[in-house]
Amino acid sequence: GQNIDQPTEMTATEGAIVQINCTYQTSGFNGLFWYQQHAGEAPTFLSYNVLDGLEEKGRFSSFLSRSKGYSYLLLKELQMKDSASYLCAPKDSNYQLIWGAGTKLIIKP
Amino acid sequence: IAGITQAPTSQILAAGRRMTLRCTQDMRHNAMYWYRQDLGLGLRLIHYSNTAGTTGKGEVPDGYSVSRANTDDFPLTLASAVPSQTSVYFCASSPGRDSGANVLTFGAGSRLTVL
Repeated sequence: GQNIDQPTEMTATEGAIVQINCTYQTSGFNGLFWYQQHAGEAPTFLSYNVLDGLEEKGRFSSFLSRSKGYSYLLLKELQMKDSASYLCAPKDSNYQLIWGAGTKLIIKP
Repeated sequence: IAGITQAPTSQILAAGRRMTLRCTQDMRHNAMYWYRQDLGLGLRLIHYSNTAGTTGKGEVPDGYSVSRANTDDFPLTLASAVPSQTSVYFCASSPGRDSGANVLTFGAGSRLTVL
């Protein structure tokens, strides 16, 4: 079956760095997305990886290893507004997104 | 402002009633989707549409129906609501579906409570 595994909750300090891991098992692979979702709001796009390696976008970076079925989202210089859930979603061979339950990130001052 | 509009924002509904959630996008996206989001679970696809005039079943289609008469509108209908359909419903769209890099844009969501 298809499966996404990411931590349920993480806590970090303002100004610090945090890494949110995601492991996945899918039938085929057509890229992996990370979305951010603030409480009570819609998910918004953060990053997309289709090849192995690191994609950097400002304070946020995303890494992919297709052979290990593994991705992580790295958030630097954490700000209070980064408190949100982070959703990992690979696309399978039918181009369907398989969504993880998300990691709730709590930022403390 | 380009995007997706969902209505209603929230609704309390008696079991057995019929309900239609509305979704309209102005980005001329070909593909549209309906998801439900429940606490502790990932987003689950209910129905999707690759292009106007076509629809497909997602992971949890039972009890729901959709139509895609034109590019912009993609309503979701609950024919006879049941309490297990209490959820937050998100409509989304993307330029296409059958390619890797299509980014989904989501509506603000409709919170539905079935009593």
